[in-house]
Amino acid sequence: GEDVEQSLFLSVREGDSSVINCTYTDSSSTYLYWYKQEPGAGLQLLTYIFSNMDMKQDQRLTVLLNKKDKHLSLRIADTQTGDSAIYFCAESIDGGFKTIFGAGTRLFVKA
Amino acid sequence: ETGVTQSPTHLIKTRGQQVTLRCSSQSGHNTVSWYQQALGQGPQFIFQYYREEENGRGNFPPRFSGLQFPNYSSELNVNALELDDSALYLCASSLVGGGGYTFGSGTRLTVV
Repeated sequence: GEDVEQSLFLSVREGDSSVINCTYTDSSSTYLYWYKQEPGAGLQLLTYIFSNMDMKQDQRLTVLLNKKDKHLSLRIADTQTGDSAIYFCAESIDGGFKTIFGAGTRLFVKA
Repeated sequence: ETGVTQSPTHLIKTRGQQVTLRCSSQSGHNTVSWYQQALGQGPQFIFQYYREEENGRGNFPPRFSGLQFPNYSSELNVNALELDDSALYLCASSLVGGGGYTFGSGTRLTVV
């Protein structure tokens, strides 16, 4: 089946690291993605990882992929108030012709 | 890069009516996908078009249909609107094979 699950809320203090977790079910995923959505806006691609990698770092963002456990995480270092948003995990399946999204994790950053 | 543009931004329709939403893909992208995002939920995949043909579809009834044009612009048509069709409709373009979407800002459809 196709399912992507995330915890719904995360609250951190400004300057701390945030870790958002995601599990997925389709072992044929080719790419896994993290998107950010701010109020009233569409989704913005933050980063992605190919399924044969286990880590990717991009400035303050670190993505970890555990393919055996079908677990994906996004770490945001030095979290800022501007990082407050909803973060969506997504997996690309069916040869890239379909991308399935989780319900999103709402990140609150306290000053 | 021009990004993805959608029109209109907001729309109110009556139950039973038909609606057409429009999308202009990012320059250089050859696939377009449509998603429905209900309030407080993640985007739900409706379908994807590549080379003007539907090549992937989610769990949506046939009254949801689409078109992709040679210039990679796209339409989403919904017939016989129901109250539950009220949602944000997102268009996303990409290159075939992966690498992530560029999303538009969406069309907020309200069915009354």
